[in-house]
Amino acid sequence: GENVEQHPSTLSVQEGDSAVIKCTYSDSASNYFPWYKQELGKRPQLIIDIRSNVGEKKDQRIAVTLNKTAKHFSLHITETQPEDSAVYFCAAISRGGGSGGSNYKLTFGKGTLLTVNP
Amino acid sequence: NAGVMQNPRHLVRRRGQEARLRCSPMKGHSHVYWYRQLPEEGLKFMVYLQKENIIDESGMPKERFSAEFPKEGPSILRIQQVVRGDSAAYFCASSPTLEDTQYFGPGTRLTVL
Repeated sequence: GENVEQHPSTLSVQEGDSAVIKCTYSDSASNYFPWYKQELGKRPQLIIDIRSNVGEKKDQRIAVTLNKTAKHFSLHITETQPEDSAVYFCAAISRGGGSGGSNYKLTFGKGTLLTVNP
Repeated sequence: NAGVMQNPRHLVRRRGQEARLRCSPMKGHSHVYWYRQLPEEGLKFMVYLQKENIIDESGMPKERFSAEFPKEGPSILRIQQVVRGDSAAYFCASSPTLEDTQYFGPGTRLTVL
């Protein structure tokens, strides 16, 4: 099955600096890679996602890059703000056991605790 | 359009009792997924359901755990004879179609005493 590794597990930056979180995946059939932000005690919230036919996607201060050959993808946050502090999870969607081999099973990394210091 | 709803938000049970967790997907979403999150860990897939059908329960323990998504009403995750190791946050997610973005509910935090 799919295996997703995420680094670093903790990241501390000064306000205004950039933050980069990296993930690798194992299943070459995975074709969708979302990133979720989770604040303490809250639900995971989708912040950006990328599909395997695209190499990069940007949404204001957040960007994601995907290297299919190397099977890794990264989250980039520029001009960080204290409200960006949270746990960030990468995920890869892969084939589950049902539904004719369709991709629906999200496998998550273990998360990165990002702290933005004012 | 209300998001994914889950209740209860917090549930305390004693060992041996039953826990029943409910999830109402977003309007128009017919695909429901349950994930479990242990403290300081990522979410782990448990089960995928469509209306009246369990499609994939490969991530769910075979004993004591069951899930359903009836024609009418919310999806239910049921844990019988709970043990301390079942203490976790249980999230459900829904999507409008297969291979589409999954949106998460607020979770149910189960504590087993």
